[in-house]
Amino acid sequence: EAQVTQNPRYLITVTGKKLTVTCSQNMNHEYMSWYRQDPGLGLRQIYYSMNVEVTDKGDVPEGYKVSRKEKRNFPLILESPSPNQTSLYFCASSLPDLRVPDTQYFGPGTRLTVL
Amino acid sequence: GQQLNQSPQSMFIQEGEDVSMNCTSSSIFNTWLWYKQDPGEGPVLLIALYKAGELTSNGRLTAQFGITRKDSFLNISASIPSDVGIYFCAGPTGSSNTGKLIFGQGTTLQVKP
Repeated sequence: EAQVTQNPRYLITVTGKKLTVTCSQNMNHEYMSWYRQDPGLGLRQIYYSMNVEVTDKGDVPEGYKVSRKEKRNFPLILESPSPNQTSLYFCASSLPDLRVPDTQYFGPGTRLTVL
Repeated sequence: GQQLNQSPQSMFIQEGEDVSMNCTSSSIFNTWLWYKQDPGEGPVLLIALYKAGELTSNGRLTAQFGITRKDSFLNISASIPSDVGIYFCAGPTGSSNTGKLIFGQGTTLQVKP
């Protein structure tokens, strides 16, 4: 079954404690991306990756890091989380051309709370 | 930076009614994407539009790429309860259809049986 998995699904942490949210896909997609979703703001892209070892900033990259050492994995790292990073996070993967329907997959989301 | 504005922000309609929503931008887009997010799930791509004036359907959904390339419209005919969710428009920024994506803030649809 084609899928994008994220872990953990829920996380409550404290300010300053480094954390990693993992994302893995089993479709051999080149493109992967991270988004955060906040009420009234829609989804905002954090980082994206066009292929292994290629990453670029989205609209809201501050406070986040990513790495793409393997094609299937695209972890999101918060080195020093702050309360304004409390949000719902989605990982997505697709073929490089985002216009092709039925080839984009989003993960189930990770709800992060930073106290 | 580029922004996408969706309207209305929310809609509460009766089952069987038709729905219209739109997405506007101050800058030109070469591709428009429409997604639906079911409660508690990630978004799913519904329709992709490639050129100005294009009209594309997916079942009861029809989307149009505005001729100015600064707007797009999504219509749902004969709504049913499973149409409930948040509908997002999105577009790739830059000259290619890959990479950096921006999303509208979403239109929340509720359908009364």
